Amino acid sequence: GNSVTQMEGPVTLSEEAFLTINCTYTATGYPSLFWYVQYPGEGLQLLLKATKADDKGSNKGFEATYRKETTSFHLEKGSVQVSDSAVYFCALSAIYFGNEKLTFGTGTRLTIIP
Amino acid sequence: DSGVTQTPKHLITATGQRVTLRCSPRSGDLSVYWYQQSLDQGLQFLIHYYNGEERAKGNILERFSAQQFPDLHSELNLSSLELGDSALYFCASSPPSGDTDTQYFGPGTRLTVL
Repeated sequence: GNSVTQMEGPVTLSEEAFLTINCTYTATGYPSLFWYVQYPGEGLQLLLKATKADDKGSNKGFEATYRKETTSFHLEKGSVQVSDSAVYFCALSAIYFGNEKLTFGTGTRLTIIP
Repeated sequence: DSGVTQTPKHLITATGQRVTLRCSPRSGDLSVYWYQQSLDQGLQFLIHYYNGEERAKGNILERFSAQQFPDLHSELNLSSLELGDSALYFCASSPPSGDTDTQYFGPGTRLTVL
């Protein structure tokens, strides 16, 4: 079946540091890939997505490139801010018995210290 | 704000009781998904409805049931509650065309079973 493996957290960085959160996936076919972010006390928000190989999703300074050859979708940001502290979820969407189904990774908690 | 609304925001109840969680999807979305988020299980897909019909079931217990009404709002009913049912319950909706693979999440209902 489909699965998503995320970098274990928690991750703690200083403000303005470079961020990478690793995500790899297993899926049949050609899934769409997503990063969702969950700020404290809130629901999940779509951060970015990519729908085919070599697509790059980007939003709010975050980027991720759909790499089919390595089945990866790593999240990166060049200079993190305290406001980026949140839990980040990698996910894939694939057709499952005729229906779209999202499969999530376990989430990576990111804390940015000033 | 994703446009998905959920009520109530918090719910505290006792073991053995029954509760109903409510979700209204974004305007125009026909699909509603329910998820459970707990510390030990992560984000688990429960059930998917499309335009009033059940489309897919995930890890949903027999004590739990859901429905989607003609106005497209959905309710998740949890009965014979146990301590382990304490969790965040999210609903999400997705559009009927275009980005059908993208789900937009509500703020969640935090259920505490005492």
